[in-house]
Amino acid sequence: AQSVTQLDSQVPVFEEAPVELRCNYSSSVSVYLFWYVQYPNQGLQLLLKYLSGSTLVESINGFEAEFNKSQTSFHLRKPSVHISDTAEYFCAVSSTGGGNKLTFGTGTQLKVEL
Amino acid sequence: GAGVSQSPRYKVAKRGQDVALRCDPISGHVSLFWYQQALGQGPEFLTYFQNEAQLDKSGLPSDRFFAERPEGSVSTLKIQRTQQEDSAVYLCASSPSLSGGAPDTQYFGPGTRLTVL
Repeated sequence: AQSVTQLDSQVPVFEEAPVELRCNYSSSVSVYLFWYVQYPNQGLQLLLKYLSGSTLVESINGFEAEFNKSQTSFHLRKPSVHISDTAEYFCAVSSTGGGNKLTFGTGTQLKVEL
Repeated sequence: GAGVSQSPRYKVAKRGQDVALRCDPISGHVSLFWYQQALGQGPEFLTYFQNEAQLDKSGLPSDRFFAERPEGSVSTLKIQRTQQEDSAVYLCASSPSLSGGAPDTQYFGPGTRLTVL
């Protein structure tokens, strides 16, 4: 069995400030890790993923996440947020041999303010 | 190109009614997933198809839930004798390839919001 914990349900931040959204996972086998984003009134979209190789992965819009196996974490960071980053962010995990089904955290609402 | 579509977008049912939710995956996608997202929660896995074969239905909460994908394309999630606890957003996702190995990206539809009164 696997699980994902997103401790922060809401993160308010001012525009151009840095942000970190925390994600910890639990699994007895090797995992693949994902961050999905849901903008207001839109469906879930993949933001970035870790499958193998470099533990630091980046998205096209400036987000990055680092896979830390010893801490079982996959925190999402951005050095300078924009109003358009306001959305709900979901961390998810799937396991090798698990049929690719995703186990999601409860989500973190990022609210960027002027 | 067209993404994953779901219909209806909103459904209100009286307790005890049967409902059917439709998912049109991206053309050519082999894998199809259904998730249930309760208010304030993350999506939870319900079931998975590879073409027309239902390979995993471990997440279906009860035998009132039934899913099918008879021709390996469109899928329908049916809920019989709906209960208030079935109220949620039902998400469908598709991905291009087979399970096993590194997973492909899952592309999600907009969801169907089911409210059971």
